[in-house]
Order: sequence, then C-alpha cells, then structure tokens
Amino acid sequence: QSVLTQPPSVSAAPGQKVTISCSGSSSDIGGNSVSWYQHLPGTAPKLLIYDNDNRPSGIPDRFSGSKSGTSATLGITGLQTGDEADYYCGTWDSSLSDVVFGGGTKLTVL
Amino acid sequence: EVQLLESGGGLVQPGGSLRLSCAASGFTFPTYGMNWVRQAPGKGLEWVSGINPRGKTYYADSVEGRFIVSRDNSKNTVNLQMNSLRAEDTATYYCARDRAVGAFDNWGQGTVVTASS
Repeated sequence: QSVLTQPPSVSAAPGQKVTISCSGSSSDIGGNSVSWYQHLPGTAPKLLIYDNDNRPSGIPDRFSGSKSGTSATLGITGLQTGDEADYYCGTWDSSLSDVVFGGGTKLTVL
Repeated sequence: EVQLLESGGGLVQPGGSLRLSCAASGFTFPTYGMNWVRQAPGKGLEWVSGINPRGKTYYADSVEGRFIVSRDNSKNTVNLQMNSLRAEDTATYYCARDRAVGAFDNWGQGTVVTASS
C-alpha cells in the first residue's frame, strides 16, 4: 500500500480538463515539495512538475501543479489522446527518510 | 543531452545476486544525486535507493541490508549491488537523476530483473 493516495483512474474527453489528487500526511506532503510524473508503459517516466508547481523546460503549460496542506493536485487542460498514461505523485517522507510515491492514476482520454 | 543507460538485469534465482549499472552522460555527473526506482509487474513506482554527490546513501526499508548503492565519479556510473534477491524484487529498475529532493528529472529506459526459480 502506497504512502500517498491517488485515485486509481480518471477520464475525460479530448479538449477537456482533468485533475488528479494526491493525499498524504504532515511527514510527507505537509512538510516537503511534491513532484508529478507521467509514465507510459515501456518508457522512461517523465517529470512534469517539481517543487509543487514548477514545470521543467519542455513541459507545456497545459500541465499545472498545486499543493495545499497535506494534499497536492495535478491539472491537465486541453486533453489530448497522447496524454493517456499513468500519473504519479512523489515527495520526500521525513519520518521514513524515503522518497515515496502515490499508487498511480491511469488517465483515459475518451 | 542527458542520457542514462542501465544494464545488468536478468534472471536470477531467489537468494542470488545481481549488479546493476547506470552509465550517465551529457551532464556533470559528480554534482548530482542519483537514484534507483523500480516498478514491479502491474504495480506502481517504488523508490529503492539513492546516493548524493558526496556518497551518502539512502535505502528503502524493503531493501535495507540487502542492496548496496555506489557511484564512480571517474566513470560517471552508479551501481546497485543486489544480494539475497527475493521474488518480490522482480521489477523493471530505473536509474534517475535528482533535480531536487524527491524530484527526478531524467530517467533511463530501465533494466528488467526477474528473481525466480
């Protein structure tokens, strides 16, 4: 069982917006920065968001991140079929002294 | 261009050992922390181990005492020595570069480890 909690799946139509939640505790999200990753099977995971709301160069502004208390959210606007993937949140857990991930959310673009 | 290339995966019997390597290029390797993250079949991502630029190491509880991470800054490589392998260690193992604590900005394509009799 993952330390961080994500919904198993979300779906939306092309062009629409979707949000993916990530819930934790004071020892992980509550006290540390959150990152988000996109992972297509058989490929290398890709960093989408770091430090809660920052995008690496090359990541389109359709992807956004936010954090409030012990929860974080990934937003994706203007959905494309190419966005279909698994999405993971991650952060440092100060109690475990480990990096922890959510269980992953499968995005389906209908 | 940053490149990370893992090698060393394969089939090993439970209780056996395997050594993974990750060859890095395209950046100043000694100044970055490096990590190993794995994904078991049908499961999510799991952080396994990390090593900072000064060589301090970190391990997940699930591998503490069995796995050893090391780095060779002269060869731009990071290694993961995996001992006493268990069936539950079966996974694709990814090498990943630190962008910040808990944020990995570059990943390799992965190498598959199968612990099975």
